[in-house]
Amino acid sequence: SQQGEEDPQALSIQEGENATMNCSYKTSINNLQWYRQNSGRGLVHLILIRSNEREKHSGRLRVTLDTSKKSSSLLITASRAADTASYFCATAYGGSQGNLIFGKGTKLSVKP
Amino acid sequence: SQTIHQWPATLVQPVGSPLSLECTVEGTSNPNLYWYRQAAGRGLQLLFYSVGIGQISSEVPQNLSASRPQDRQFILSSKKLLLSDSGFYLCAWSVQGVAPLLFGQGTRLTVV
Repeated sequence: SQQGEEDPQALSIQEGENATMNCSYKTSINNLQWYRQNSGRGLVHLILIRSNEREKHSGRLRVTLDTSKKSSSLLITASRAADTASYFCATAYGGSQGNLIFGKGTKLSVKP
Repeated sequence: SQTIHQWPATLVQPVGSPLSLECTVEGTSNPNLYWYRQAAGRGLQLLFYSVGIGQISSEVPQNLSASRPQDRQFILSSKKLLLSDSGFYLCAWSVQGVAPLLFGQGTRLTVV
């Protein structure tokens, strides 16, 4: 079953606006990661937040983690048309941290 | 610097034909290697992972197999393709025991 589930499935905003995507998961985690995928391309790692962290920033990205609610959010501030992509959250399970379970993603469209 | 190569980028194969997708990693040694599949509009499904030469773990029973003949080479194969094998196949690697995953550019497989 899916571990990470993103919400909303699709999001359309204007350039300059902020975009917020949410992720819920089911079991205990060591870390939660966000990835970006441009259409027809491989995924690119954006940010990793550990279970003992509550918030993390990287450039225009801000990720929060609430382990009590088993949820995370990704905020992209001052969005640009180049941010148009699908965004996935992923949580690790098993002995290898690369055994990630991905959600179905949020498809973000930023209109110029 | 580390790079990952995956080929071919696109592939159209008839039902019942064999499959061989290759992935190689450069600039690192003893990586964890992964094969994921992404169906249209879906998240990623982990198919196989490997922590060393000849060591393959399968996550989902299916028509596919994987092999790791060299430290930085990972091959996805099938003896007879099914229509349901169509999808976007992604190879990824990570440093042993450390996130995040670094993905190749993917192979779009269409079985006709």
